[in-house]
Amino acid sequence: EAGVVQSPRYKIIEKKQPVAFWCNPISGHNTLYWYLQNLGQGPELLIRYENEEAVDDSQLPKDRFSAERLKGVDSTLKIQPAELGDSAVYLCASSPGGGGTDTQYFGPGTRLTVL
Amino acid sequence: AQKITQTQPGMFVQEKEAVTLDCTYDTSDPSYGLFWYKQPSSGEMIFLIYQGSYDQQNATEGRYSLNFQKARKSANLVISASQLGDSAMYFCAMRDYGGSQGNLIFGKGTKLSVKP
Repeated sequence: EAGVVQSPRYKIIEKKQPVAFWCNPISGHNTLYWYLQNLGQGPELLIRYENEEAVDDSQLPKDRFSAERLKGVDSTLKIQPAELGDSAVYLCASSPGGGGTDTQYFGPGTRLTVL
Repeated sequence: AQKITQTQPGMFVQEKEAVTLDCTYDTSDPSYGLFWYKQPSSGEMIFLIYQGSYDQQNATEGRYSLNFQKARKSANLVISASQLGDSAMYFCAMRDYGGSQGNLIFGKGTKLSVKP
């Protein structure tokens, strides 16, 4: 079974430029998460989707960040414009949903460097 | 508010020895789950083990076991017979099933280094 796929793995951009990250979850997983991981810290949730619906985006900086999951499968996270402080690893995770343990499985992440 | 505390920024262990990574948590919700993840230098978070708050027995998965002490709000990860490939960051996480909509809260992690 394929795991969570993310691309690109690495991205270097200059500040004020836009950037987008793509995630394809594990097949059949209804719940998709985007996390931000700063150096030396644990991941922090940005947004959670249940199918197409963003059920928790309270931690997403909406002035510059946006996300979509149009068909309830893959998802895109966008930053426009990027700032120096956005340099971090962006992790995507998925889980089956529906309660219970609902373990989250993570992709390899996208390491963003903003110059 | 929920909180996860990992007090050991770094740990060293000799190959083939056992090691315990500490994790304490805080929540007011009686229903919650505790997770441990491994993050090697490649960056991917790998799920290791899960313990539910109502589970009567400590969880075990191969060389991983979770020392769950509910009254002390601790959920320490024990790795037996350490291997060189165990060198990585280890994160403790909690998910409560109450007001936070079940989101995962992570600690800051412990960097484990296994010495040959």
